Amino acid sequence: AQTIHQWPVAEIKAVGSPLSLGCTIKGKSSPNLYWYWQATGGTLQQLFYSITVGQVESVVQLNLSASRPKDDQFILSTEKLLLSHSGFYLCAYNRGEEDTQYFGPGTRLLVL
Amino acid sequence: GDSVTQKQGQVTLSEDDFLFINCTYSTTTYPTLLWYVQYLGQGPQLLLKVTTANNKGISRGFEATYDKGTTSFHLQKASVQESDSAVYFCALVDRSNYQLIWGSGTKLIIKP
Repeated sequence: AQTIHQWPVAEIKAVGSPLSLGCTIKGKSSPNLYWYWQATGGTLQQLFYSITVGQVESVVQLNLSASRPKDDQFILSTEKLLLSHSGFYLCAYNRGEEDTQYFGPGTRLLVL
Repeated sequence: GDSVTQKQGQVTLSEDDFLFINCTYSTTTYPTLLWYVQYLGQGPQLLLKVTTANNKGISRGFEATYDKGTTSFHLQKASVQESDSAVYFCALVDRSNYQLIWGSGTKLIIKP
């Protein structure tokens, strides 16, 4: 069975501070990986996707960057947080030509 | 480009009422649409997948149908329960860009 884990569960950070969010997938080899951002009460905005280790494509950057250092790991980061970065960050995966994306539990971020 | 519209921002029902949520789309390809449900504080979960080939999907008492004439997909349930309180999203599959194109979501509130 596949499992998707995101860390941390929640963060409260100051404007201008750095951020690193992580996502790992277990039980699925060579998954496609995705990062989403969701404002409170809003829809999902895809930020990045990766279909292979070391390669990341940007959809909407929002002054964030992403990396895929291992097959099962996806990292979202920024050196300087903005107030607008507050929200719910979701990692998702699927495989190959599969349509459905499977989501992790999310990380809630509050920037003050 | 492809697009999805979910006009019902919020639906308020009583237990045992009939639920109907509509999602219209625009695409130049054969559409595949996913219905996701997001409970408070959680990541979205796949509820149903509908294509022009199968026209219909059924899961957990929910039924999703496709209407080619109005280029829309519908999600319905005969008798809602309090546990169905959540936000329901439709998402159009865009395989060329590894993306799901998301509707704005419909929040379902069940009155006690």
